[in-house]
Parts: sequence; C-alpha cells; structure tokens
Amino acid sequence: GDSVTQMEGPVTLSEEAFLTINCTYTATGYPSLFWYVQYPGEGLQLLLKATKADDKGSNKGFEATYRKETTSFHLEKGSVQVSDSAVYFCALSDRTNAGKSTFGDGTTLTVKP
Amino acid sequence: SQTIHQWPATLVQPVGSPLSLECTVEGTSNPNLYWYRQAAGRGLQLLFYSVGIGQISSEVPQNLSASRPQDRQFILSSKKLLLSDSGFYLCAWRREGGWDTGELFFGEGSRLTVL
Repeated sequence: GDSVTQMEGPVTLSEEAFLTINCTYTATGYPSLFWYVQYPGEGLQLLLKATKADDKGSNKGFEATYRKETTSFHLEKGSVQVSDSAVYFCALSDRTNAGKSTFGDGTTLTVKP
Repeated sequence: SQTIHQWPATLVQPVGSPLSLECTVEGTSNPNLYWYRQAAGRGLQLLFYSVGIGQISSEVPQNLSASRPQDRQFILSSKKLLLSDSGFYLCAWRREGGWDTGELFFGEGSRLTVL
C-alpha cells in the first residue's frame, strides 16, 4: 500500500535559519503530494501541494518540489520565523485509493528567537 | 465558501461512558468525509471514511463507530469508552469526483480525555 516517510523530529532552529524537512513516499498510482501544517491545539491546514512530477508547490516562503525519480517531496524554507513553529505533515493522495490520503508521522518544528 | 465545524472542542469522559462527536460541513454537497485520530506526539490514523449518506468504511477494528445520517453530517460514536480512546480527533472533508483536488479540509479538532 501507499506510505509516507518523513524526517523524525523534533527539529529546533534559530530564527532566520534554513529549514529542510525530508519526505519520501511509495505509491502504486500517480499521487498528488501535500504538506500540511498544524499549529498548537488546531486542526491541520494545507501549506502547499503539487499534483504532478516536477511541480513546485510554494506558500508563505515554503517550497517543495515533486521529484518522481527520487519519490521525494522535501519541504524547505530559506529563513524561518518563530511563528513557523508547528507540526508539519507530508501526505499523498491517490485518486485510485477510494479518495483516502496517507500521512507521515509529522515533524515538530520549534524556532527560537 | 465552504466551512467545517466539529464539536465539542474538549471532552473529559469516564471509562465506560458513551461518546458522540459531531462534524458538519457547509457550502458544498456530497463531500467525502473522514475521521482521523491523532495520539499525543504521533501522526494521523484514519478511522472511518464515507463517500455518501449511510456509507461508512472502517479502517481499523476498534471501539468506535461512525454514521452519516445526512449528506454533510458525520458522527463518531462509542457505546463504552476505553482509556486508549483518548486523543485528538479530527474530522475532514474532500471534494467529490471531478472537483477533487486531493486536498483535505480539516475541522478544529476535538480533544478527548478518558479517565
């Protein structure tokens, strides 16, 4: 079945540091890939997405590129802020799988001033 | 615009008591609906999903059940809670069919503590 593996946390960075959270996937079909963010005590919200190979999703300074050859979708940001502290989930969605999404275990990011 | 609401936001229940969490979606029709559970410090576990009224698929055997009495209403229930049912429960919806982008839209979450 489909699976998503993302970098284990927690990750602690200083403000303005560079962020990378690795994500790799296995899927039988042609999935869309997503990064969701969860702020403390809240539900998840979409951060960015890519629907086909070589697409780059971007939002709020975060970027991720759909790499089919390496089955990866790594999340990056050039300069993190304290307000970026949250849990980040990589996920895939395959329309052939009854509309179900598969999530990674989440990576907790803490940014210190 | 579409919105999703779930309630209650916080619930503290004794072991053996019943549970009912409710989720409603507004501004769309015939959505796919999902219940996830997030244990402390862990990822998301899909519990149930529904592609239409009265159609429920269970992902894991457990002490919980789900129902979809109306198109945009999804209910998570239990007759007798266990300690292991504690967690953060998330309802989500997704557009159906040709409008589907694969994106999930999540509610605010319901934190359940079973004592």
